[in-house]
Amino acid sequence: DAGVIQSPRHEVTEMGQEVTLRCKPISGHNSLFWYRQTMMRGLELLIYFNNNVPIDDSGMPEDRFSAKMPNASFSTLKIQPSEPRDSAVYFCASGTADGYTQYFGPGTRLTVL
Amino acid sequence: AQSVTQLGSHVSVSEGALVLLRCNYSSSVPPYLFWYVQYPNQGLQLLLKYTSAATLVKGINGFEAEFKKSETSFHLTKPSAHMSDAAEYFCAVSEDFNKFYFGSGTKLNVKP
Repeated sequence: DAGVIQSPRHEVTEMGQEVTLRCKPISGHNSLFWYRQTMMRGLELLIYFNNNVPIDDSGMPEDRFSAKMPNASFSTLKIQPSEPRDSAVYFCASGTADGYTQYFGPGTRLTVL
Repeated sequence: AQSVTQLGSHVSVSEGALVLLRCNYSSSVPPYLFWYVQYPNQGLQLLLKYTSAATLVKGINGFEAEFKKSETSFHLTKPSAHMSDAAEYFCAVSEDFNKFYFGSGTKLNVKP
């Protein structure tokens, strides 16, 4: 299995621009998670999906952030408009409740200038 | 409420020495506990997990961790450090599969 795939690996954009991060979970996993990692706040859960349905988005920092999962093999995290304080590494993870393990992708390093 | 405390944001050991990374947790019910490792510019990789079976859990790369309920601890150890063990290590606790709480991480430096 290829593991969790994220794209792009690096994104540099200017303040005010729209940013879209992409994730392909491991085949057969029915839960998908988006995390953000910063030096100041560590690893934070933003939102998670079960069977493509958003269950808890209480970690999404504000309305500028949105996430979708149109099917079992694809999810996006969008920031519009982006701000410098959004600069972080964004991780996608997937897993199954039976296995009780979350498997992480390599992350997308976002820099907003 | 669940939380994880990792004592020591940086730990430095010599190659061949014992590695001990500390993790204490708080949980209202018997939790599931995890150790993940993160190498530079990579995602988190599962080292090992405790799911209420044996209290001593063996993981990959020679690491192991012991669940001690009385101490609410889940410390990570390795008898002999290798240069390739240099990375950041995260402890996590979960009562609900959809909610993992991660510690702030411990960076392990291995000196030759």
